[in-house]
Amino acid sequence: RKEVEQDPGPFNVPEGATVAFNCTYSNSASQSFFWYRQDCRKEPKLLMSVYSSGNEDGRFTAQLNRASQYISLLIRDSKLSDSATYLCVVNEVWGGNKLVFGAGTILRVKS
Amino acid sequence: GAVVSQHPSRVICKSGTSVKIECRSLDFQATTMFWYRQFPKQSLMLMATSNEGSKATYEQGVEKDKFLINHASLTLSTLTVTSAHPEDSSFYICSARNPKGAGYEQYFGPGTRLTVT
Repeated sequence: RKEVEQDPGPFNVPEGATVAFNCTYSNSASQSFFWYRQDCRKEPKLLMSVYSSGNEDGRFTAQLNRASQYISLLIRDSKLSDSATYLCVVNEVWGGNKLVFGAGTILRVKS
Repeated sequence: GAVVSQHPSRVICKSGTSVKIECRSLDFQATTMFWYRQFPKQSLMLMATSNEGSKATYEQGVEKDKFLINHASLTLSTLTVTSAHPEDSSFYICSARNPKGAGYEQYFGPGTRLTVT
C-alpha cells in the first residue's frame, strides 16, 4: 500500500467550477500535511498547509480528518491558471522528518 | 522571489561521466536539505537527506557511492551523479527546510533535468 494515495485524474472542469481532490495516508503518526502544486516540468510549490480545524486561503479550502487519515482540497471558481498537478504531502516524523509525496492529481480547467 | 536556487537547470552528458548539481538556499541557513528524483508521470521520490557538517542519510535503494552528497555550508549542498548511465536521466530537485519556519514546509529549487546519452 502506498503511504500517500491520490486519484491521479485527470479532472477536466470548466472555468468557474468547484472541484475537490481527496488523499489518504497510511501512517497514523503523521503530524503535518500539505498541498503542493506542480506545473509541468517545474518544481513543486507549496499551496497551503492543512490544519486539523480546516483552513481556507481565498478560493482554496483544505480539510483534514485524522480519524479517517484523509485530506481534501476544494477549489472554488476554478481558473484556467489552476491547471496543474496537485500533490498531497505528508510529513513523516519518524526516520527524520521527511516529506512523503502522493503521485498527484491532474487538474485541467478549460474555457 | 526564489528562496532556493539550483544549478544547472539542464545538463546533457555522456554515459560514464559525472555530473555535479548545486543547491543553494538564498534566504535562510538550511541545516537540512533534501534531494529528490522525479521520473516522468511519477511523484517525487526522496533520495537522501543532506545534513550540514555530517554524512547524508540515503533512502533505501539509493546507492551512496553513485550519488555523492556534500553539504559543506549552511547554504550549499551538492549532488554528484557519478558514472552516469541513461537510466539516471531524470528530474533532480533539491529542497531546503527553513529551521525558523512554523511547520515542516520545504522550499524547492527549480530542478535540474539530467539527460544521459
